[in-house]
Amino acid sequence: EPEVTQTPSHQVTQMGQEVILRCVPISNHLYFYWYRQILGQKVEFLVSFYNNEISEKSEIFDDQFSVERPDGSNFTLKIRSTKLEDSAMYFCASSGGFSYNEQFFGPGTRLTVL
Amino acid sequence: SQQGEEDPQALSIQEGENATMNCSYKTSINNLQWYRQNSGRGLVHLILIRSNEREKHSGRLRVTLDTSKKSSSLLITASRAADTASYFCALIYNTDKLIFGTGTRLQVFP
Repeated sequence: EPEVTQTPSHQVTQMGQEVILRCVPISNHLYFYWYRQILGQKVEFLVSFYNNEISEKSEIFDDQFSVERPDGSNFTLKIRSTKLEDSAMYFCASSGGFSYNEQFFGPGTRLTVL
Repeated sequence: SQQGEEDPQALSIQEGENATMNCSYKTSINNLQWYRQNSGRGLVHLILIRSNEREKHSGRLRVTLDTSKKSSSLLITASRAADTASYFCALIYNTDKLIFGTGTRLQVFP
């Protein structure tokens, strides 16, 4: 069964460093998303991406964040200058065909900012 | 707030019993999705129910939606220890973003 994959599973970085989180969505899916979950808190929407551009972004997704689909399979989230409060689990999700469909999540990348 | 509110926050049952979790919301939705999350792991999609649907089944899972009461329930029948996880309802309004609630922590004792 096709699934969303994410790498790395765990990333440790120093405050102020740039990180890139990678995701391979389910092939033939058209809609891509990033969410994050701070430890012990609820899952929060960051950004949605369709047709090579951002469809919607939350207040969390400020100028330090960017997303890219550099080729036909990868979908990346970049945090330019990490802060302590960026420590969280970051989930990629994808959805196929039409909007408002099921979103399938990857296993997540645990980002720890020291 | 647009998020769903799950009830109860925590639920402990014995294997074989049924588990019911509820999700209430305040404004009209496009659809509602239930997810499971094992501790520290990813989110597993369980069921999507659209605003024009009242009930859906998938294996031991049954989801209902009452749009007049703005509430949904997830029933897990004949629970197993492996069902131990957190369960979230996630709402879709008029855009694609999922808005998650705080979840119900289910513990199933063997």
